[in-house]
Amino acid sequence: AIRMTQSPSSFSASTGDRVTITCRASQGISSYLAWYQQKPGKAPKLLIYAASTLQSGVPSRFSGSGSGTDFTLTISCLQSEDFATYYCQQYYSYPVTFGPGTKVDIK
Amino acid sequence: EVQLVQSGAEVKKPGESLKISCKGSGYSFTSYWIGWVRQMPGKGLEWMGIIYPGDSDTRYSPSFQGQVTISADKSISTAYLQWSSLKASDTAMYYCARLEGGSGSYYGDYWGQGTLVTVSS
Repeated sequence: AIRMTQSPSSFSASTGDRVTITCRASQGISSYLAWYQQKPGKAPKLLIYAASTLQSGVPSRFSGSGSGTDFTLTISCLQSEDFATYYCQQYYSYPVTFGPGTKVDIK
Repeated sequence: EVQLVQSGAEVKKPGESLKISCKGSGYSFTSYWIGWVRQMPGKGLEWMGIIYPGDSDTRYSPSFQGQVTISADKSISTAYLQWSSLKASDTAMYYCARLEGGSGSYYGDYWGQGTLVTVSS
C-alpha cells in the first residue's frame, strides 16, 4: 500500500496567517490526491481533489498544488473557522490511503 | 441537495452483532459508490470498504476483509455496515461517504454525520 505522510503533525497559527501543510506519498501518485478538513466531532469535508481542484463551495483561500510524490495545501489567510485537522488521501492505487493528519490550532 | 444520513449511536457488549445504516438522498443512489470510514478515538481516518448499490459490487480494504460486512438495499437508498461479533477494539466513529471515482480509485465528496459505536462490557 502507498504510505502517506504529512508535516507538520500539528502547529499553532494566528488568524490572517498564510499556512502551508505538506503531504508526501511513498511512491508517485500523479495528481490523484484529495484534501479534507475535519473539525472536532464533525465529519470530514472535501476541500480539494485532483491535487489542485477546489471542491464546489470551498473558499478560494484554500489551494492545493503538487504532483508525483510531494503536495501542499495552502490557506492564504487563516480564518477562525479554519482551525481544524487536515488530511490528505491518495486515490492513485488500491487500497486508497489517508495521511495521518495535521492539526492546526490557535496560537 | 445531496445528503447521507446515518443511524444513531450504539452501545453494545463484546460478542454482540450490529448493523448501522447510511441513507442517501438528493442524487441517484445506484450511480455512485458508497464507502465506509473508521475513526478510532483520537485517531485518523481509515477506509474500510466500498459498495456500488447499483449491483452490490463490494470491495474491502485488506485490514477489514473478513471483519465486517458491507451491503446495500437500493430500493430504500440505504447502505449498511455490520459486525457479527463486536470487540472492544471496534469502538470508533464510523462515517459513510459518497464516492467520486471508480472501484479502486475514489475519494469522498459527501459524508454522513457519523455513527458512534461503543463496545464495552
